Amino acid sequence: QKEVEQNSGPLSVPEGAIASLNCTYSDRVSQSFFWYRQYSGKSPELIMSIYSNGDKEDGRFTAQLNKASQYVSLLIRDSQPSDSATYLCAVNIGGGADGLTFGKGTHLIIQP
Amino acid sequence: ETGVTQTPRHLVMGMTNKKSLKCEQHLGHNAMYWYKQSAKKPLELMFVYSLEERVENNSVPSRFSPECPNSSHLFLHLHTLQPEDSALYLCASSQDPGHHNYGYTFGSGTRLTVV
Repeated sequence: QKEVEQNSGPLSVPEGAIASLNCTYSDRVSQSFFWYRQYSGKSPELIMSIYSNGDKEDGRFTAQLNKASQYVSLLIRDSQPSDSATYLCAVNIGGGADGLTFGKGTHLIIQP
Repeated sequence: ETGVTQTPRHLVMGMTNKKSLKCEQHLGHNAMYWYKQSAKKPLELMFVYSLEERVENNSVPSRFSPECPNSSHLFLHLHTLQPEDSALYLCASSQDPGHHNYGYTFGSGTRLTVV
């Protein structure tokens, strides 16, 4: 069974602080990992992708991957109220035509 | 138009109706997907099309019937649905599902209500 696990939250973070979102996955052969942001009533929007162990930075966002621990995280620095959304972790297990497996998402609230 | 467009945005249908959802992508991608998003559940993959061929059907009931006439268009035909099928139906596209380096681009979704 392919699974992607996230804490559903809500995760409340004060404005300007670092928000840390976590995700674990069950399949050791997973190859590609993605973070999507979904505002209420909107569709998911891709914000980060990561494929190799370590950190990947893009602006205020940093994705971290540890394949040995089957763990991927997203850090948001200098959190803004506009970052309030649900963040979905997605895993492309083994590539091919299996499609992405999504977690339930973490609801993030940035408090002004 | 750019990106992935879905129509209609909202749909209310009776259990005996037949309707279709439409998705069109303008990104030159060669794979398209249907996902179902229900409250408090993860996105559920329904169908995958790669180069216009269906490559995955995740045990979806036969009352959902996909069609992919070309790499830019994807349909989901609906008939005799149940109230529990009410959800947000999302279409997505990507470049080559065998390539690990691309995520999906989602359409805005169709909010379906079955009465």
